Amino acid sequence: DTAVSQTPKYLVTQMGNDKSIKCEQNLGHDTMYWYKQDSKKFLKIMFSYNNKELIINETVPNRFSPKSPDKAHLNLHINSLELGDSAVYFCASSPRTGRGYEQYFGPGTRLTVT
Amino acid sequence: AQTVTQSQPEMSVQEAETVTLSCTYDTSESNYYLFWYKQPPSRQMILVIRQEAYKQQNATENRFSVNFQKAAKSFSLKISDSQLGDTAMYFCAFMKTSGTYKYIFGTGTRLKVLA
Repeated sequence: DTAVSQTPKYLVTQMGNDKSIKCEQNLGHDTMYWYKQDSKKFLKIMFSYNNKELIINETVPNRFSPKSPDKAHLNLHINSLELGDSAVYFCASSPRTGRGYEQYFGPGTRLTVT
Repeated sequence: AQTVTQSQPEMSVQEAETVTLSCTYDTSESNYYLFWYKQPPSRQMILVIRQEAYKQQNATENRFSVNFQKAAKSFSLKISDSQLGDTAMYFCAFMKTSGTYKYIFGTGTRLKVLA
């Protein structure tokens, strides 16, 4: 069973479109995250939810909106896509207690905006 | 604000040899965790090793060990008996244990193991 899953794994779309990436974890964790990895492989936190409550909201354009319908799911919706949004987006989850707050990552979604 | 620096963008090592990847960080926190993650070409992020700042003993996981120097704010990763499967990007990450629990990642070191 996949611990943290993301769909889709690849997404190719045109500028101006709206798209969503879905994330689900079956680990029973309370906290979920979205990270962005740019073309130079730099990883940066975007958002984090704890029990459906937004707790981290980094400097991200308003076109990006996370939604957590329940603590097992954290989706990322992106409006009016731009070329600079092309990146790999990783979802992660953690229990926040024990095991050193280890985060478990999904396989990533490679978004290409043309 | 915390920062994590990995000064070696790329490294290579012969199979079966030992290699050390460096990581330094800057923080005013006294309690935190440090991590090394591996990202092979498959793109999956895999935890390699974890160190609690309050523990003086260096963490080890099979062929992977760290040299944690808290005063120097240094956290290097040693890979012994390197294997072809160790070829990957390696990221050092910092997490403080107060407030929000987010990783601050370094810029990564691309390691290539040569046959």
